[in-house]
Amino acid sequence: SQELEQSPQSLIVQEGKNLTINCTSSKTLYGLYWYKQKYGEGLIFLMMLQKGGEEKSHEKITAKLDEKKQQSSLHITASQPSHAGTYLCGADSGGGADGLTFGKGTHLIIQP
Amino acid sequence: GAGVSQSPSNKVTEKGKDVELRCDPISGHTALYWYRQSLGQGLEFLIYFQGNSAPDKSGLPSDRFSAERTGGSVSTLTIQRTQQEDSAVYLCASSLGVGAFFGQGTRLTVV
Repeated sequence: SQELEQSPQSLIVQEGKNLTINCTSSKTLYGLYWYKQKYGEGLIFLMMLQKGGEEKSHEKITAKLDEKKQQSSLHITASQPSHAGTYLCGADSGGGADGLTFGKGTHLIIQP
Repeated sequence: GAGVSQSPSNKVTEKGKDVELRCDPISGHTALYWYRQSLGQGLEFLIYFQGNSAPDKSGLPSDRFSAERTGGSVSTLTIQRTQQEDSAVYLCASSLGVGAFFGQGTRLTVV
């Protein structure tokens, strides 16, 4: 089965600073999803990456999938308090029937 | 509604009782997933529906857990004879292929 490892597990960043979260898969990724979860809320879909070398941006958040399609990084530029939350990467095994596999998440705290 | 809706949002039940959790997916989404998130744990896949059928039920933790989906829409997750280790947030997601959109979850507490 596919396993996803996220690093770091938690991160405290001063407001305005940049940060990167990594997600490494034990198998080739057919689809890599990034989600954000705030306490008491459901998961929010951020973006999906499918092609090796693909990069997508949404506002100040950029996600990349490496050429070998086994690692993805999420980069936040000039962090803001609204970026605080837990970031989860999810992987599609390719067959659909296994659902999505998730990492354990990265808990991000933004210090003013 | 515009998003995935789950009910109830919170459920406290006594050990040994049965509970039923409901998920209303986004209209038209053919795929529906159930996940469980225990305190401090990552998401645990439970079951996946494509239409009304569930090709893979191996994620269900025990035979006390069952799920069904009717009319390719609403799904219910039933837990019989609840145990304290069943306490968790149960999340439902629906998809039409790209991304999966999650409900707010049902927080289940077994006392």
